Amino acid sequence: DTEVTQTPKHLVMGMTNKKSLKCEQHMGHRAMYWYKQKAKKPPELMFVYSYEKLSINESVPSRFSPECPNSSLLNLHLHALQPEDSALYLCASRTHGSVTQTGELFFGEGSRLTVL
Amino acid sequence: SQQGEEDPQALSIQEGENATMNCSYKTSINNLQWYRQNSGRGLVHLILIRSNEREKHSGRLRVTLDTSKKSSSLLITASRAADTASYFCATDATGGFKTIFGAGTRLFVKA
Repeated sequence: DTEVTQTPKHLVMGMTNKKSLKCEQHMGHRAMYWYKQKAKKPPELMFVYSYEKLSINESVPSRFSPECPNSSLLNLHLHALQPEDSALYLCASRTHGSVTQTGELFFGEGSRLTVL
Repeated sequence: SQQGEEDPQALSIQEGENATMNCSYKTSINNLQWYRQNSGRGLVHLILIRSNEREKHSGRLRVTLDTSKKSSSLLITASRAADTASYFCATDATGGFKTIFGAGTRLFVKA
């Protein structure tokens, strides 16, 4: 069983809606990630938080807004999305947020988003 | 952004056979990781090999890394139907913890 929990598992939203995806881990990990994955494609990196600070933003459109309220939680706020934003959104964490200490990523099961 | 390519894109084998997947990458790396993903599920970490290592084993998995060619291979021995999944390599570039995934190989193991 994964130790990274993502909610909701499925989300359907209209283009004018505002919704949020949530991710939680209690492993004491200090780096947290958001990835987007389209069908039959690899995960694409969106954001990285290190020690609760946004460290990497891969030029993601502003309709996606990440938030890290504390070291265990990661949110992705969604607003005015487009149908092409429909995808599986994966959260991941790893032990260290240091550039010299990397290791395996622990993934949640993802949130399947459909934008109508 | 995608780090590199994997080949083959898809691989179909019989149970008991070995499966080999290859991964190439573009930048200098701290380490290379392999992950498995069952359809529509989250990714599960399989094995990590550091840039100063050339080969690593874990159970039925064997990973090699050739930093001069910027390539890695994953060998699954004595495959089982339960090994059917997509397999991705991922790299952490030197000087960062930005983990980028390769295109992936879809493995089908027929019982």
